[in-house]
Order: sequence, then C-alpha cells, then structure tokens
Amino acid sequence: GNSVTQMEGPVTLSEEAFLTINCTYTATGYPSLFWYVQYPGEGLQLLLKATKADDKGSNKGFEATYRKETTSFHLEKGSVQVSDSAVYFCALRDRAGTALIFGKGTTLSVSS
Amino acid sequence: IAGITQAPTSQILAAGRRMTLRCTQDMRHNAMYWYRQDLGLGLRLIHYSNTAGTTGKGEVPDGYSVSRANTDDFPLTLASAVPSQTSVYFCATSETMNTEAFFGQGTRLTVV
Repeated sequence: GNSVTQMEGPVTLSEEAFLTINCTYTATGYPSLFWYVQYPGEGLQLLLKATKADDKGSNKGFEATYRKETTSFHLEKGSVQVSDSAVYFCALRDRAGTALIFGKGTTLSVSS
Repeated sequence: IAGITQAPTSQILAAGRRMTLRCTQDMRHNAMYWYRQDLGLGLRLIHYSNTAGTTGKGEVPDGYSVSRANTDDFPLTLASAVPSQTSVYFCATSETMNTEAFFGQGTRLTVV
C-alpha cells in the first residue's frame, strides 16, 4: 500500500542554519506530493506541492523536488528563522484519488 | 474568513457517552475528511466523503460514524466514547479527491 516515511525529529537548529527534512514514499504510479506545516495549536497548512516527477515546489523559502528515481521529496530551506519552528508533514495522494496519506511528522525547533 | 469551522474546540467527555464533532465548510468543496492526530502516529484517516451523499472508511474507522447530507457539513459521531479515542480531530476538505486538502483548526477531545 501507499506510505510515507519521514525523518524522525526533533530537529534543532540555530537561526540561519540550513534545513533538510527527508521524506521518501511508496506508491503505485505517480502520486502527487505535499508538505504541510503545523504551527503550535493550529491546524495543518499546505506549504508546497509537486504533482509530477522533477517538479519543484517552493514557498516561503522552502523547496522540495519530486525525485521519482529515489522516490523522495526532501524539504529544504537555506536559512531558517525562529518563526519556522513547527511540525512538518510530508504527504502523498495517488492518482486514484485516495485521501492524503501522511508521514508521522518532524518537529523543527529553531533558536536565536 | 472563508474556510472550515470545527466545533467544539475542545471537550472532556465521560467514557460511554455519545459525542458529535461538527465540521462545516463554506468553500463548496466536494470532498471532506476526518483525521485524528496522535503523538508519534501522525495523522490517520478515519472517514471520508467524495461528495454529498457518499462516505467511505479510512484507516481507523472503528467506533466512529459520519454522514454527508449536504455539501457543507460532515459531522463525526462517537457512539460510545472510549479513552483510546482521546485525540485531536481534524476536519479537512478538498475541491476533489485529487487536489490538496485544507484543514480546520481541530477539536481536542479527552475521554475519561
């Protein structure tokens, strides 16, 4: 079945450090891939998405590239801020249109 | 602001009691979902609805029921609550089953 695996946290960084959160997936065909972010006490918000191989999603300085050959969709940001502290979820939706399947989430904590 | 409204925001419920979590959207999205979020487990799909009048089971449907009488409302009912249903519940919508999902702010439910 479809599944998403993301690196376990917490990830603790200093402000302006480089961020990578790994995400790999298992799915039949070519799913759409998403990163969601959850700030404390809030619901999930879509951060970025990619719908086909080699697509790069980007938003708020975050980027992720859909890599079919490695079945990966790693999240990166060149210089994190304290305000980026949140839980990040990688997710997929397959072409059959099933509901989103989420990874377990990675907590990011950025200190000044 | 248009979006998804969940009620109540939080609730403490005695085991064995019946409880309905409400979800209303004003985006006219066809698909709606209920997820539960538990520490270390991420988000797991409880039930979903592709369109008004239809519902389907997700990964963890036992102990929960849903209905979709119209486009805007998708209530989740716990017929007889148990402590293992203590969780944060998120309602989500998407325009179709193939597009990104938008989330409500969540309902924190504690069953004692």
